[in-house]
Amino acid sequence: DAGVTQSPTHLIKTRGQHVTLRCSPISGHKSVSWYQQVLGQGPQFIFQYYEKEERGRGNFPDRFSARQFPNYSSELNVNALLLGDSALYLCASSGGPDNEQFFGPGTRLTVL
Amino acid sequence: DQQVKQNSPSLSVQEGRISILNCDYTNSMFDYFLWYKKYPAEGPTFLISISSIKDKNEDGRFTVFLNKSAKHLSLHIVPSQPGDSAVYFCAATSTSGTYKYIFGTGTRLKVLA
Repeated sequence: DAGVTQSPTHLIKTRGQHVTLRCSPISGHKSVSWYQQVLGQGPQFIFQYYEKEERGRGNFPDRFSARQFPNYSSELNVNALLLGDSALYLCASSGGPDNEQFFGPGTRLTVL
Repeated sequence: DQQVKQNSPSLSVQEGRISILNCDYTNSMFDYFLWYKKYPAEGPTFLISISSIKDKNEDGRFTVFLNKSAKHLSLHIVPSQPGDSAVYFCAATSTSGTYKYIFGTGTRLKVLA
């Protein structure tokens, strides 16, 4: 069975640009969460979606947005990129919002 | 405000000995705790979890202990193996809330052969 998949693996952008990251959950999982991991820190919660509805939002600016599609895949969008947005972006899926989360390999975003 | 703390950034242990990784939390609303292992260039891999109604959970070589009064949990790995070398994160959540995970900053474990 395929685990959580994320694309792209790596991405380089410049300040002010926009980026879209994609995540496909484990088959049968309906909840997707997004995390940002900066070097030397633990993952920081950004969003959780369940059945296409936003269930939780972390302490991130409005430049960060996300959505979940009918097939439960998800996109994370970041506008007006800043140097500080450089990080590993992790997607996690779970059967429901209160089940254990399984992480994908992440997308490494570098903002120059 | 760091609600989940792992105060040891790194730990070295001889192969075959016990590894003990520690984690402290401050939020009394947390009632579910997890440990993840992370290798470079991979996402975190779920290891073991514990609910606040228990004080111990065991899975093979991995045991997690929870001391609610001290707001402290620990992960014991016995015996330690070189393949256990990775960064270990503890995470906490409230199952009555949005179920977002709050992670510690991680402990890098090196198991020496």
